This record gives sequence, C-alpha cells and structure tokens, in this order.
Amino acid sequence: GDSVTQMEGPVTLSEEAFLTINCTYTATGYPSLFWYVQYPGEGLQLLLKATKADDKGSNKGFEATYRKETTSFHLEKGSVQVSDSAVYFCALSGAGKSTFGDGTTLTVKP
Amino acid sequence: GAVVSQHPSWVICKSGTSVKIECRSLDFQATTMFWYRQFPKQSLMLMATSNEGSKATYEQGVEKDKFLINHASLTLSTLTVTSAHPEDSSFYICSAPDRTYEQYFGPGTRLTVT
Repeated sequence: GDSVTQMEGPVTLSEEAFLTINCTYTATGYPSLFWYVQYPGEGLQLLLKATKADDKGSNKGFEATYRKETTSFHLEKGSVQVSDSAVYFCALSGAGKSTFGDGTTLTVKP
Repeated sequence: GAVVSQHPSWVICKSGTSVKIECRSLDFQATTMFWYRQFPKQSLMLMATSNEGSKATYEQGVEKDKFLINHASLTLSTLTVTSAHPEDSSFYICSAPDRTYEQYFGPGTRLTVT
C-alpha cells in the first residue's frame, strides 16, 4: 500500500536558519503530494502541494519539488521565523484518500 | 476555496454514552468523505471512507460497530462513537475531496471521554 516516510523530529532551529524536512513516499500510480501544517489544538492547514513530477509547490516562503526519480518531496524554507513553529505533515493523495507521514515538530527559537 | 466544517469542535462525554460528530461540505458536494483519528503527538490515521448512498468502508482494525458512519446526503457525513470509553478520547478529523480530488479538511473535533 501507499506510505510516506518523514524525517524524524523534533527539529529545533534558530530564527532565520535554513529548514529542510525530508519526505519520501511509496505509491502506486501518480499521486498528488502535499505538505500540511498543524498548530497546537488546531486542524490541518494545507501549506503547499504538487500534482505531478517536477512540479514545485510554494507558499509563505516554503517550497517543495515533486521528484519522481527519488520519490521525494522535501520541504524547504530559506529563513524560518518563530511563527513557523508547528507540526508539519507530508502526505500523498490518490482519489481523495490521504496517507500521512508521522509529522515533524519544528520549534524556532528567537 | 472549499470549506468543510465539523460540529462540535470539542465534546466531553461520560463513559458508556454515545457521541455524534458531523462533517459538512459547505459549498460543494462530496459523494465520499474520509474520517481520520489523531492521537496526541501522532499522525492522522484513516479510519473509514464514508460513501453517500452505500455503506462505509472501514480500515483494518477499526471496529465498525463502535464507529458508526452515515453519509446522509451529498454534504453531510456523521461519525457516531458508540458506548464511548476513555481510550476513544482523541482528535477526529474529516475530509472531503471535490471533483478534482482536491481534499479539504475539517477543523477537527476533540473528544474527551471521562
């Protein structure tokens, strides 16, 4: 079945540091790939997505590129802020049903 | 963008009682909705697929008699936790895909069973 493997956390960075959270996937067919963010006590918010190979999703300074050859969708941000502290989930979706990674907790310190 | 709502956002109930959680797609129709469960500091696990006009499809290990799902209309799915126990306490999230399979998540319902 489909699966998503996400970089283990937690991750602690200083403000303005570079962020990378690794994500690889296993899937049949050609799924869409997503990054979601979850703040404490809240639901999921879509951060960015890519629907086909070589697509780059971007939003709020975050980027991820759909790499079919390495089955990866790594999340990056050039300069993190304290407000980026949250849990980040990588996910894939086929026919609407989503499979999630385990989540990576990011803490950004001032 | 499309919006999915859940009600209630949080609920506390006594052990042995049943609790119903609603999931609504507010501005689009969804013949399929999905129910997820999230334990503290863990990922989302798919519990079941709710199908309008037919029975829900449950993931392996999910008790269908414990978690009753009814897809009453093209905009409403309900999850009823029957005879709730403290181990059922969790964060329940629904989602609905639109016609392009873009998935929209509800804000979640926090259930606490005392």
